Amino acid sequence: SAVISQKPSRDICQRGTSLTIQCQVDSQVTMMFWYRQQPGQSLTLIATANQGSEATYESGFVIDKFPISRPNLTFSTLTVSNMSPEDSSIYLCSVEDRALYGYTFGSGTRLTVV
Amino acid sequence: QKEVEQNSGPLSVPEGAIASLNCTYSDRGSQSFFWYRQYSGKSPELIMSIYSNGDKEDGRFTAQLNKASQYVSLLIRDSQPSDSATYLCAVNTGFQKLVFGTGTRLLVSP
Repeated sequence: SAVISQKPSRDICQRGTSLTIQCQVDSQVTMMFWYRQQPGQSLTLIATANQGSEATYESGFVIDKFPISRPNLTFSTLTVSNMSPEDSSIYLCSVEDRALYGYTFGSGTRLTVV
Repeated sequence: QKEVEQNSGPLSVPEGAIASLNCTYSDRGSQSFFWYRQYSGKSPELIMSIYSNGDKEDGRFTAQLNKASQYVSLLIRDSQPSDSATYLCAVNTGFQKLVFGTGTRLLVSP
C-alpha cells in the first residue's frame, strides 16, 4: 500500500502568517487530495491536486487562501495563508491506494493559530 | 448538497459483542463506499471498501451495502477494547471526491 510522509506533524503559528504543509508519496499518483478536519468534526475536502495543472478547489475554499503546488507525481504542498484562529485544524493529504481499493491518508498536520 | 449521515454515538458495547454502525447517503449516483477508523489524534485508517450491493467480509469486519435504500453499514464481531475509536463512513460521489460522515464513536468496555 502507499506510504505518505506528511510534515510538519504539528505547528503553532501566529495569526497573519503562512504555513506550508508537505506530502511525499512513495509511489507515483495522478491525484492528491487535501482535507481539513476541524476540531471535533469530520473531514472536508479542500482541493484536488493534479500534476501539471491547477488544483481544483471545493466550494468554500479558494486558491488565494490555500495555494497548492504539485510539481511531480509524488509530491504536493498545501499552504495556509494569512492564518487566523479559525484555521486551527488538522490538515491531511490523501491518495488513492489501488492495493487497498481505497484512499490512504498522511499522518496529518495539527495546526494551531494563536 | 451531497450528504453522508451517521449517528454520532457513542455506541457502547461490551467486549465480545457485535457492534453495528450505520450510514446513509443522499447521492443516489454514488458508486463506492468506505469505512475508516480514526483513533484520537491519529489520521483515518481504511478498514473496508465496498462497491456492490450485499455483504463483504474481512476478518471480524463485515460491510453491508444497499444502494436502493442508500445505506451502508459496518458490523464488528467479537468487539475488542482496541476497537474503541471513531468510525467514519465515506462515499465517493464522483471524480474520486470523498464525502465523509461526522463519524460514530464506538466504546468497547472490557
